[in-house]
Amino acid sequence: EAGVTQSPTHLIKTRGQQATLRCSPISGHTSVYWYQQALGLGLQFLLWYDEGEERNRGNFPPRFSGRQFPNYSSELNVNALELEDSALYLCASSLEVIDTQYFGPGTRLTVL
Amino acid sequence: QQQVKQSPQSLIVQKGGISIINCAYENTAFDYFPWYQQFPGKGPALLIAIRPDVSEKKEGRFTISFNKSAKQFSLHIMDSQPGDSATYFCAATPLYNQGGKLIFGQGTELSVKP
Repeated sequence: EAGVTQSPTHLIKTRGQQATLRCSPISGHTSVYWYQQALGLGLQFLLWYDEGEERNRGNFPPRFSGRQFPNYSSELNVNALELEDSALYLCASSLEVIDTQYFGPGTRLTVL
Repeated sequence: QQQVKQSPQSLIVQKGGISIINCAYENTAFDYFPWYQQFPGKGPALLIAIRPDVSEKKEGRFTISFNKSAKQFSLHIMDSQPGDSATYFCAATPLYNQGGKLIFGQGTELSVKP
């Protein structure tokens, strides 16, 4: 069974640009979660989507947004990029809401 | 109240020794406590998890001990091996109340020396 996949692996942008990160959950999983892993800050919860709806949001500004598509894949958009947005962005999926979260390999975003 | 505090930040253990990583939390609504293992360049992988109605859970060389009254839980890695060298994260979530949101500790970088 294929795991959670994310694309691209690496993304380099300049300050002020927009970044789009993509995630495909494990087949059959309906919940998708996004986390930011910045150096020295650990893993921070960003967003949770379930059945196409945003269910919960972490303490991040509105320029971090996303959506979940009918096939349960998800997209994270970061607008007006700032230098401190440089981080590893991890996507996770779970079969049900109250279930184990399985992580993808992440997208490394670098903002210059 | 939403924090999970993890210690130590880094740990060096000899091959065959016991690695112990500790976590503490404040929010009594937390009801699911997973541990994740992360190798460089990879996403975190679930290692073992526990619910607060159990004081200990063992899977192979990995054991979680849970102290509900003290709001602490720990990971013990018995017979540590060089292949266990990775970063370990404890986490907590009010799984059955809010779902979704995992609160992670800061991570422990474990190095097992041969």
